[in-house]
Amino acid sequence: EDQVTQSPEALRLQEGESSSLNCSYTVSGLRGLFWYRQDPGKGPEFLFTLYSAGEEKEKERLKATLTKKESFLHITAPKPEDSATYLCAVQASGTYKYIFGTGTRLKVLA
Amino acid sequence: NAGVTQTPKFQVLKTGQSMTLQCAQDMNHNSMYWYRQDPGMGLRLIYYSASEGTTDKGEVPNGYNVSRLNKREFSLRLESAAPSQTSVYFCASSEALSYGYTFGSGTRLTVV
Repeated sequence: EDQVTQSPEALRLQEGESSSLNCSYTVSGLRGLFWYRQDPGKGPEFLFTLYSAGEEKEKERLKATLTKKESFLHITAPKPEDSATYLCAVQASGTYKYIFGTGTRLKVLA
Repeated sequence: NAGVTQTPKFQVLKTGQSMTLQCAQDMNHNSMYWYRQDPGMGLRLIYYSASEGTTDKGEVPNGYNVSRLNKREFSLRLESAAPSQTSVYFCASSEALSYGYTFGSGTRLTVV
């Protein structure tokens, strides 16, 4: 069964303390892996798409990487405004449906 | 540029009542989606429309119907609301099925 697992469920960081969020997936074949950011009371906001192992994407303090079994979202020197829930989703080969993980709630303290 | 607009933002229904959630996008996207988000469950796909004139079931379609009214609008209807349909509903759109989505701000629905 296709599955997406995100860890940790919650993470508290001090401002400037770099860390990584993990998204592990089990699918028969990967069409694409997507990262989103969701602020409380709002809809998810698209961040990145990764299509093949070894691919990397960057945006400001965020960098997403992809292997054959997992993706990491690296946050370098985070700021309080990076506090949000980060969602990972995968799209398996042969389907256009996303499978979403349950997210990592990130809190960055000033 | 509004993106994806959902109405209403909040709604309380009694069990058995019906309602339609409205969604419109102004980005000329071909594909549109309806998701529900429940604590600990992640986002789950209810229905999607790959292009104007087509609709398909997602992971949790029971109790819902959809209409792709035109390229801009995609509505979700609850014919007879049940407490299990209490959730936050998100509409999304994308240029095509394998692209990142633009989500609306959501409708918080409570069925009592």
